[in-house]
This record gives sequence, C-alpha cells and structure tokens, in this order.
Amino acid sequence: EAQVTQNPRYLITVTGKKLTVTCSQNMNHEYMSWYRQDPGLGLRQIYYSMNVEVTDKGDVPEGYKVSRKEKRNFPLILESPSPNQTSLYFCASSFSLTSGSKQFFGPGTRLTVL
Amino acid sequence: AQSVTQPDIHITVSEGASLELRCNYSYGATPYLFWYVQSPGQGLQLLLKYFSGDTLVQGIKGFEAEFKRSQSSFNLRKPSVHWSDAAEYFCAVGDNAGNMLTFGGGTRLMVKP
Repeated sequence: EAQVTQNPRYLITVTGKKLTVTCSQNMNHEYMSWYRQDPGLGLRQIYYSMNVEVTDKGDVPEGYKVSRKEKRNFPLILESPSPNQTSLYFCASSFSLTSGSKQFFGPGTRLTVL
Repeated sequence: AQSVTQPDIHITVSEGASLELRCNYSYGATPYLFWYVQSPGQGLQLLLKYFSGDTLVQGIKGFEAEFKRSQSSFNLRKPSVHWSDAAEYFCAVGDNAGNMLTFGGGTRLMVKP
C-alpha cells in the first residue's frame, strides 16, 4: 500500500531534549516536505527536499533540521525543542509539485514541548 | 512571496444546501492551486488541483473549483453538501519551481442536519 509513515504519532517532551521525528515513504518519490499545523495558521512549510542530499528551507525553518540521505526517509530533527514548537507535524511526499502527481501526507505527529 | 487567504474561518451550511469556500492567492506568475480536506484527527486529502488549461476543475467527492486569474481566486464549490463533508478545508498555492507549497489558514465547515 502506498503510504507515508511518521513516528512517533504522539510525543511529549521537555525543553532542550533533542528529538527526531521520522518520515518514510514507499512510493519512490523525489519530493518530500515537512509542515507544521497550528490553529488559524493552516500548514506552514518547514523544510523540503527535491531529492537525496538536496534540502531547502520553507517558511518556518528556525529551530529545525532535516536530512535526506536516502530517498525514502526524511527525518525532522529538533536539536533543542522549545514550547513554541508544540504543534501538529505532517510529512508529505510526491514525485514533484509541478507534475500532475498527488502529494501524499502522513498521519501527523502531535508534539508537546513542556 | 506567495500567500493564500481564506477569508472565512468557519462556515455552517444545512445538509443539501450548496457550498462555496473562498480562496484568494497572491503569486507573481501562473500559480499551481490546490484544495485539501482534513477530517477530524486525520491527515490531509487532496480534493483537486489546477495546473493549467480549463479553469473549472473537477475533484473528488463532487467538489469543483474555478480559477479566476482576474480575481486571484480559486473558490471551491459543491452543489449539495452531505453531513460527511464536515471538515476543515485548506487552499494552497505552489510555486512554478515546484518547491514551495503555501497553505491558507483553513475554513472549518459545519453541516447542520
């Protein structure tokens, strides 16, 4: 089944404790992206990747890191989480945004930083 | 920079009534436009997209949207709403390079029986 998986689905942590949210897709997509969703703000793009070893900042990259060492995986790293990073995070993948291909979203990761 | 505005935060319609959700975008060139739906506790599902060609786009679940360049709008419509359409709807614009996808703040739709 074609899908994007994220782990963990729920995470409660404390300020400053490094964490990684994993994202994996099984569709051989080149394009992957991370978003955060906050009430009233919709989804805001954090980082995206056009292919292996190619990443770039989205609208709200501060406090986040990503890597794309393999095509299928695109982890989101919070080196020193802060309470303002409490949010719902979505990973997505597609062949490209400009093609007719559909963008698949993961189920979301709800992160709480105390 | 591109941006998307969804002027209506909440909309309530009666089941069977027609629906129009507004979306206005700002982008310097011809945009790629999308509508997504998010049901409670779920991820996002693509309803429809506009890349080029016919400005009236048909999507899944009986939804359609019309791209109006002169008004910088991409409004979503459905002739008869079902209770299962209650969800949050997001309009998004993508840049021509295929890098950035910018979402609006969302419109939460409630359906009255």
